[in-house]
Amino acid sequence: GAVVSQHPSWVICKSGTSVKIECRSLDFQATTMFWYRQFPKQSLMLMATSNEGSKATYEQGVEKDKFLINHASLTLSTLTVTSAHPEDSSFYICSATPGQISYNEQFFGPGTRLTVL
Amino acid sequence: QQQVKQSPQSLIVQKGGIPIINCAYENTAFDYFPWYQQFPGKGPALLIAIRPDVSEKKEGRFTISFNKSAKQFSLHIMDSQPGDSATYFCAASIRGTDKLIFGTGTRLQVFP
Repeated sequence: GAVVSQHPSWVICKSGTSVKIECRSLDFQATTMFWYRQFPKQSLMLMATSNEGSKATYEQGVEKDKFLINHASLTLSTLTVTSAHPEDSSFYICSATPGQISYNEQFFGPGTRLTVL
Repeated sequence: QQQVKQSPQSLIVQKGGIPIINCAYENTAFDYFPWYQQFPGKGPALLIAIRPDVSEKKEGRFTISFNKSAKQFSLHIMDSQPGDSATYFCAASIRGTDKLIFGTGTRLQVFP
C-alpha cells in the first residue's frame, strides 16, 4: 500500500514553454502533498506544501509564480513549471502523507526528470 | 537550527560489513526521525523511522539508534549486501507539522 505515482517520469522541453507534472496517491487519500527538487548528488530541497482545496505554502526563495501548484483533490496534485529555463532542469519529486492515519509518514513518488533545452 | 547534519558523505564497505551513518540535529521540536534509501533516478523510499521516546528500533537488517540527550541518531545496516548500495538520507520532522528536513545524504557502496 501507500503508492505514489508521478507523470511523466521524464520530460524534455524548449526554453520558454510550460511543463505540468502530476502526482497521484494511488491507494490512499493524501491530506498533504509536498514537492521537492533535487540536483545531482544533492539532497532533497522542499519547494512547497499543498493541502487539498487550499493554496500551496512555498518555501523561502521558491517563486510561486514560476512553480504553480494545484492540489485539486485528495489524490492529485500538479506542479506546473511556467516559462521553463535551463536552470529549471532538475529532478522533481512529490510526496504524500495520509495525515492522521500515519502521522508524519511521507510516501514518495518515483520522480520526474525535467530537462529544459 | 532547522538543519540536520549527516555524515559521512560517502562510505565504502565490503559485503557483510556494518556501515553506520550518523545524523545530528539542534531543534528539540523535532519528534520524528525517518531514514530514506534512494537509488539513482528513483524517489526515496522509507526504510525505518523512530520517535524520541525509544532509543533503538530494528527492522530486518536496519537499526536506528537514537540518543536524545546528544541529539543524534544513526542508521546501522547489518550484513550489508551489494544491493544496499544507494544513497541514504536521514530526516527530521517538526512536531505538529508534516514537513521533513533532510540531511545531506550518504552514498554507500557495498563491494562483493
